[in-house]
Amino acid sequence: NLMLTQPHSVSESPGKTVIISCTRSSGSIASNYVHWYQQRPGSAPTTVIYEDNQRPSGVPDRFSGSIDSSSNSASLTISGLKTEDEADYYCQSYDSSNHEEVFGGGTKLTVL
Amino acid sequence: QVQLVQSGAEVKKAGASVKVSCKASGYTFSSYNVHWVRQAPGQGLEWMGIINPGGGHTTYAQKLQGRLTMTRDTSTSTVYMEVSSLRSEDTAVYYCARGVNSGWADNWGQGTLVTVSS
Repeated sequence: NLMLTQPHSVSESPGKTVIISCTRSSGSIASNYVHWYQQRPGSAPTTVIYEDNQRPSGVPDRFSGSIDSSSNSASLTISGLKTEDEADYYCQSYDSSNHEEVFGGGTKLTVL
Repeated sequence: QVQLVQSGAEVKKAGASVKVSCKASGYTFSSYNVHWVRQAPGQGLEWMGIINPGGGHTTYAQKLQGRLTMTRDTSTSTVYMEVSSLRSEDTAVYYCARGVNSGWADNWGQGTLVTVSS
């Protein structure tokens, strides 16, 4: 079954740039879209990137997404970090072999 | 605006069943799938399954096959998620979320805490 592997945690200073990776265990990263969600404590997730690199309306352009076939991974890049970006981030993609959506384990972003 | 409003918190005994509702508004109910996702305390997101409210077709995560049932009521624009034979590890916040064709969830319910006690 498909697994999406994320770093457990990352930390960076305000104003800097952070990259969160999401590595696909099997099949090509390009074969199914990758979506990214932000979840603050006590709240439901919200989408920050969908379909690899698209931003929903209202999400600042400091958030961007990409995929890299050489490492079979997707990345969420947050530039100009703000303290309000501190949250858990999850990637999601589709496992065609069993028709299931799969979430990565989540990455806790600390902005200090 | 799009809204998904879920039913309130539940406390259940191990072995019982729980049914959570998710009432949709602000869009054409039959035009979008609805995902169910759960999150155990301190843990990550777990996809449970998806229902197409138009035709009622469902797909469940293998892990929950046999214990999970999703249904819908088009007259009230409500989807339901029922888990049977509850275990302590089913204690979680359960979310419904509107699904877009490419698989992402663009709007989420507020979550429903289900606590399973032994």
